[in-house]
Amino acid sequence: EDKVVQSPLSLVVHEGDTVTLNCSYEVTNFRSLLWYKQEKKAPTFLFMLTSSGIEKKSGRLSSILDKKELFSILNITATQTGDSAIYLCAVGSRRAGGTSYGKLTFGQGTILTVHP
Amino acid sequence: DTGVSQNPRHKITKRGQNVTFRCDPISEHNRLYWYRQTLGQGPEFLTYFQNEAQLEKSRLLSDRFSAERPKGSFSTLEIQRTEQGDSAMYLCASSQTGVDYEQYFGPGTRLTVT
Repeated sequence: EDKVVQSPLSLVVHEGDTVTLNCSYEVTNFRSLLWYKQEKKAPTFLFMLTSSGIEKKSGRLSSILDKKELFSILNITATQTGDSAIYLCAVGSRRAGGTSYGKLTFGQGTILTVHP
Repeated sequence: DTGVSQNPRHKITKRGQNVTFRCDPISEHNRLYWYRQTLGQGPEFLTYFQNEAQLEKSRLLSDRFSAERPKGSFSTLEIQRTEQGDSAMYLCASSQTGVDYEQYFGPGTRLTVT
């Protein structure tokens, strides 16, 4: 069964700090890894990574995937109170037989709290 | 608003009652997914549609659950004979074929079974 594990489960920092969130996975027929931000509502898409070693960056957020070691990290620099949220890592896997169908397996999330 | 929409946003029902939720995906997306999320957990996959065809169902989807997407546009998720364990946030997401994993979520329907 596909498995996604995130760490830490929660993190409390002050504004301006840099944080690193971790995601490791064990899936059959890996296709992609995604990061979402969830703030008391539906998850909001941040990044999708499919190739190892390529960094995706958007403002203060960046992410990298290591397909050999089966993990990804999400970095947030110069954190702000608005970054407080649950960050979810999800892995897309292909059904046995090769048909891509888009199922995402999520980790339980990292709760990030940024204090002023 | 061209995002994914879900109705109702909240539903409180008594155990044993049937409930139905609706999801309207982003208009050009032909794939639609249902997930369930309980407190402290990430979303869990329930089922997905490509156009009107239901192509995969999780074993989490017991026979009390049924989902339809009759015209390949909106979808409904029905839970019959609700149980307290069904209390959760039910999330709908949609994507385009070819970028299946880049899924965009709706605001969810929070179900409380009393």
